[in-house]
Amino acid sequence: NAGVTQTPKFQVLKTGQSMTLQCAQDMNHNSMYWYRQDPGMGLRLIYYSASEGTTDKGEVPNGYNVSRLNKREFSLRLESAAPSQTSVYFCASSEDGTSSYEQFFGPGTRLTVL
Amino acid sequence: GEDVEQSLFLSVREGDSSVINCTYTDSSSTYLYWYKQEPGAGLQLLTYIFSNMDMKQDQRLTVLLNKKDKHLSLRIADTQTGDSAIYFCEAGGYNKLIFGAGTRLAVHP
Repeated sequence: NAGVTQTPKFQVLKTGQSMTLQCAQDMNHNSMYWYRQDPGMGLRLIYYSASEGTTDKGEVPNGYNVSRLNKREFSLRLESAAPSQTSVYFCASSEDGTSSYEQFFGPGTRLTVL
Repeated sequence: GEDVEQSLFLSVREGDSSVINCTYTDSSSTYLYWYKQEPGAGLQLLTYIFSNMDMKQDQRLTVLLNKKDKHLSLRIADTQTGDSAIYFCEAGGYNKLIFGAGTRLAVHP
């Protein structure tokens, strides 16, 4: 099992460009999450999907959109990138949407917006 | 809103014990987690504790929970250089999972 995979690993964008971060999990998990990690701020939840076909906003959703394409895949889209979106983005999955299950994290995407 | 707080840095000598502290505000937190992040990698679950427990021990790791004060600690016995990493505390209820900012543990000879 590959666990949680993310592509790309690194990306540099210019302000205003768009891009989609891809995430896939092969553990048959119901819930998937997108976080951003900034120095001194821990992980902040952008969006999550408790099950296939549903998505909900997290703490910092502005400037992002998500798609739960199927049970395996959960993508994060930046329509018009801004320097404030320079961060490390982590995708995670868990068996269900309660806090009683371990989250499994991908290796992260390091995004720089110039 | 709900919050989870941790000190940002801890430096210990190899072989000593490390204690990483965390406070949280959400009294409905059912499970509390400790994750470890090594450089350039994602987070991995280290251990967790149910809110109805006071203590959990797992080899070199001891988790203490003071539910009244909403205080969680992680003790690493006989700290090794391989324990150098960032440790995140996570608390929350249903679909409301909040991470602390992370404590960077540096282990020196």
